[in-house]
Amino acid sequence: GESVGLHLPTLSVQEGDNSIINCAYSNSASDYFIWYKQESGKGPQFIIDIRSNMDKRQGQRVTVLLNKTVKHLSLQIAATQPGDSAVYFCAESVRGNQFYFGTGTSLTVIP
Amino acid sequence: EADIYQTPRYLVIGTGKKITLECSQTMGHDKMYWYQQDPGMELHLIHYSYGVNSTEKGDLSSESTVSRIRTEHFPLTLESARPSHTSQYLCASSEGYVRGIDTQYFGPGTRLTVL
Repeated sequence: GESVGLHLPTLSVQEGDNSIINCAYSNSASDYFIWYKQESGKGPQFIIDIRSNMDKRQGQRVTVLLNKTVKHLSLQIAATQPGDSAVYFCAESVRGNQFYFGTGTSLTVIP
Repeated sequence: EADIYQTPRYLVIGTGKKITLECSQTMGHDKMYWYQQDPGMELHLIHYSYGVNSTEKGDLSSESTVSRIRTEHFPLTLESARPSHTSQYLCASSEGYVRGIDTQYFGPGTRLTVL
């Protein structure tokens, strides 16, 4: 199966700073990517998605960047808040068929 | 907020018991999924369904079975639970790959412990 991995298993940031969470994927045919946030004891929650025909997509305080050349995905969170503390997963798929999830990055926001 | 529900949320059971984990969604989604997730680890797809009477095994080998008799309901059954089945089980649903988008909505999960 595909390999989707995150570069850093843990990340600590100061409240108010920007956070950047990285993800590498291995299937060059993947054309749809999603970032999920998972808080303790809960299921993953959709944050933002991006299709392969885009390089960047912005949401509320979040931006996803896609670099297809190096098969790299990143999630940027602006003005990180304590409520952003969670595990973040990226997932890849080919036309929505079977999503492959990477090992999560645990984000801790320091007040 | 997605309308997908899982019961029970927590289950502790002895070895050899038969268990069924329930998953229901009220969004009318055709596609449903079961994932297994160990703490702090990635999600592994164990079963999925593209509609009523359609079920497929995922990448992770699993001794569980599923059924899809109704669109909204996708239960997962373990005929004989073992300690190796201890994990969190997450159910998800999606509308399908529509206009290049396929967002999966997850339930809260069932944390299973087999003694």
